[in-house]
Amino acid sequence: EAQLLESGGGLVQPGGSLRLSCAASGLTFSPYPFTWVRQAPGKGLEWVSAISGSDTTTFYADSVKGRFTISRDNTKDTLFLHMNNLRADDTAVYYCARRISTWLVSGACDVWGQGTMVTVSS
Amino acid sequence: QSALTQPASVSGSPGHSITISCTGTNNDIGGYNYVSWYQQHPGKAPKLMIYDVNNRPSGVSNRFSGSKSGNTASLTISGLQAEDEADYYCSSFTSSDTAVFGGGTKLTVL
Repeated sequence: EAQLLESGGGLVQPGGSLRLSCAASGLTFSPYPFTWVRQAPGKGLEWVSAISGSDTTTFYADSVKGRFTISRDNTKDTLFLHMNNLRADDTAVYYCARRISTWLVSGACDVWGQGTMVTVSS
Repeated sequence: QSALTQPASVSGSPGHSITISCTGTNNDIGGYNYVSWYQQHPGKAPKLMIYDVNNRPSGVSNRFSGSKSGNTASLTISGLQAEDEADYYCSSFTSSDTAVFGGGTKLTVL
């Protein structure tokens, strides 16, 4: 069964850092682009970042550009999101998701993890 | 990138049809045929229902269909069932090579 499992969430103080991981199993990892999407408590979905299958191309939402870095390890079928200078409005459930096809990095995703909660508070 | 515009809520009776609209700009919906729709039940991860305007992933009921005209995309659900009650989000590829979501629509099955 195709599965994505996020980890690394937790409570962090404003200005702090966190690294989220997304481990894939039961699916083909390396040719596919991946995306991070977040959802603040009681709010809608927000696209955060995406990375190409080869790790050579990355894209970011304006709200996280310069603070977040997306990366992947194709040898370990794992996606990462490095988050620096965290703010209260970064508080959300963070989902990783796999693109439905191997082209167009920032497109529709058909496999989603269950999410990991990040809380930024003092 | 501003969020796409969706109605906050829609409702319909079992067996009937509803349509959810999603309005963007020439820089997203109007410029590309890369609109997708997601269903999200409370406390669950989103589920892809439609991609590339009108394509259904394997396993999604043919009661779900998508379309686009100009800067507005639509999701139609026919033969409403109780389990269709959920939040629905549209999403589009953008001219910045990023993606953007709509604010979400809560579907109530009466």
